[in-house]
Amino acid sequence: GQNIDQPTEMTATEGAIVQINCTYQTSGFNGLFWYQQHAGEAPTFLSYNVLDGLEEKGRFSSFLSRSKGYSYLLLKELQMKDSASYLCAVLDSNYQLIWGAGTKLIIKP
Amino acid sequence: GAVVSQHPSRVICKSGTSVKIECRSLDFQATTMFWYRQFPKKSLMLMATSNEGSKATYEQGVEKDKFLINHASLTLSTLTVTSAHPEDSSFYICSAGRDSLSSEIRFEQYFGPGTRLTVT
Repeated sequence: GQNIDQPTEMTATEGAIVQINCTYQTSGFNGLFWYQQHAGEAPTFLSYNVLDGLEEKGRFSSFLSRSKGYSYLLLKELQMKDSASYLCAVLDSNYQLIWGAGTKLIIKP
Repeated sequence: GAVVSQHPSRVICKSGTSVKIECRSLDFQATTMFWYRQFPKKSLMLMATSNEGSKATYEQGVEKDKFLINHASLTLSTLTVTSAHPEDSSFYICSAGRDSLSSEIRFEQYFGPGTRLTVT
């Protein structure tokens, strides 16, 4: 079966750095996405990785290792507005997005 | 990025009535549209995938006769919740997809803002 695993909840301090991990087992792989979702809103796109390595975009970075079926989202200089759920999703061989359950990130002052 | 709209954003209906939700890709032609449902504190659950002009492909456990999906054009898909019941109350999100214009990304998917359905 297809499976995406990520922690349910994480807590971090404003100004700090946090890493949210995601492991996956899917039928085929055409890329991995990270989305941010605030409560009551639709997800917004953060990053896309299809090749191994680190993609940096401002305060957010995303890493992928296809051989390990592993990705992480790194958030630096945390701000209170970063409190949200972060969803990991893999595009499988049928170009269907397989979603993780999301990681709720709580930022404390 | 591309823009996807959803209408209505919120709807309250009585049990037994039907509700139609529209999803539009405003500035691009979507080859595929996806309908998701999200329960509180849960991730997105894919309900169905539809390609323009063909029947939607429903995920296991999703009732086709209850959740009617029409994808009449490359910019519009509708989800009709028929004979709604309180357990259908949820956050429904559509997304529109297309083959990427970028050589780095093969497929792009853009989300609508979601529709909060409450059935009383």
